[in-house]
Amino acid sequence: QKEVEQNSGPLSVPEGAIASLNCTYSDRGSQSFFWYRQYSGKSPELIMSIYSNGDKEDGRFTAQLNKASQYVSLLIRDSQPSDSATYLCAVNPGGSYIPTFGRGTSLIVHP
Amino acid sequence: GAVVSQHPSRVICKSGTSVKIECRSLDFQATTMFWYRQFPKKSLMLMATSNEGSKATYEQGVEKDKFLINHASLTLSTLTVTSAHPEDSSFYICSARDLRHNEQFFGPGTRLTVL
Repeated sequence: QKEVEQNSGPLSVPEGAIASLNCTYSDRGSQSFFWYRQYSGKSPELIMSIYSNGDKEDGRFTAQLNKASQYVSLLIRDSQPSDSATYLCAVNPGGSYIPTFGRGTSLIVHP
Repeated sequence: GAVVSQHPSRVICKSGTSVKIECRSLDFQATTMFWYRQFPKKSLMLMATSNEGSKATYEQGVEKDKFLINHASLTLSTLTVTSAHPEDSSFYICSARDLRHNEQFFGPGTRLTVL
């Protein structure tokens, strides 16, 4: 069974700090990786996608992928209270376009 | 990002009735759409994968005769909850796969309450 693991949290960081969210996956053949943000009572919203090893930056968000170690992370710089949400990691197992979602990490950014 | 709409956003119905939920990709063609269910404070649960012009593939434990899925066009998929019961009350979310970017975009969800 393909698995995607995330620490459920909550991860609490002060406003302005860097929030680091981590995700590990079991299928070594995975090629596509995604981070979604889900506010309470709302549907998930795609933040980042990453396909190659290394870093990918988009505004305050940086996704990091290390296929050898089978982990993908999301860094949020200058965290704001509005970033408080659950962050879902999704991985497409090798040969599949159906993503496997982690259970999500709850992030709380306090003023 | 691509836009996916879902209608209705909220529905309350009596036990035994059927409810249809529509999912549309507004600015791209989606050969594949997904239907999820999410209970409060729980993770997303994939119910079925819907491919345009073919039968949906249901996940283990999901009753295909209860949750009817139709994907008749490249921009529209529907989920019908037949003979709904209170235990079917949940947040139903669709998503559509954008082949141009190999990314999946979610609709805003439908909150179903069965009395």
